[in-house]
Amino acid sequence: NAGVMQNPRHLVRRRGQEARLRCSPMKGHSHVYWYRQLPEEGLKFMVYLQKENIIDESGMPKERFSAEFPKEGPSILRIQQVVRGDSAAYFCASSPRGGDHNEQFFGPGTRLTVL
Amino acid sequence: DQQVKQNSPSLSVQEGRISILNCDYTNSMFDYFLWYKKYPAEGPTFLISISSIKDKNEDGRFTVFLNKSAKHLSLHIVPSQPGDSAVYFCAATYTGNQFYFGTGTSLTVIP
Repeated sequence: NAGVMQNPRHLVRRRGQEARLRCSPMKGHSHVYWYRQLPEEGLKFMVYLQKENIIDESGMPKERFSAEFPKEGPSILRIQQVVRGDSAAYFCASSPRGGDHNEQFFGPGTRLTVL
Repeated sequence: DQQVKQNSPSLSVQEGRISILNCDYTNSMFDYFLWYKKYPAEGPTFLISISSIKDKNEDGRFTVFLNKSAKHLSLHIVPSQPGDSAVYFCAATYTGNQFYFGTGTSLTVIP
């Protein structure tokens, strides 16, 4: 039973480029969460999605960031026109259902470096 | 606004001794708390959790204590082993969806 998969593991972009981060949840999980960890900080919630729906995006910056979780395929976190401050580790987590205090299972993260 | 705080960035403990990691929170609505363990270049791994209706939960060498009046929780590891060396994050939630994480405590267990 494969865990949460994220790719790429490392991503380097120049300022102004786009970054696409992918997350495949654990088998049977239909709830996906994205977190960002800046250097020397804890993980910060960005967005919570179910299949084809954004449930809570209260932690997502209003501009340049978007997320989707289509009916088929992985969840995508997209960052347009990246800036140096976007350099961070981005973690995806999944759970079999939302709410109800479910444990979230985390992927290994994507480390984004913006030059 | 850091609603979950881990004020000790690092902790060193001798192998076999007890490790105590602390966590404070400010939001009285939190009703579920978790501890995650993280190795470098990996994602956090769930360790143990506790609901606000309890004040203690135990799982093998790991025990979590919750003091709601003080808005404080702690993780006890007894006995500590070198393989426990990692960064430990506490997390809290009230929606069950968005987890609020502390900044982590790096534990080093000295053989």
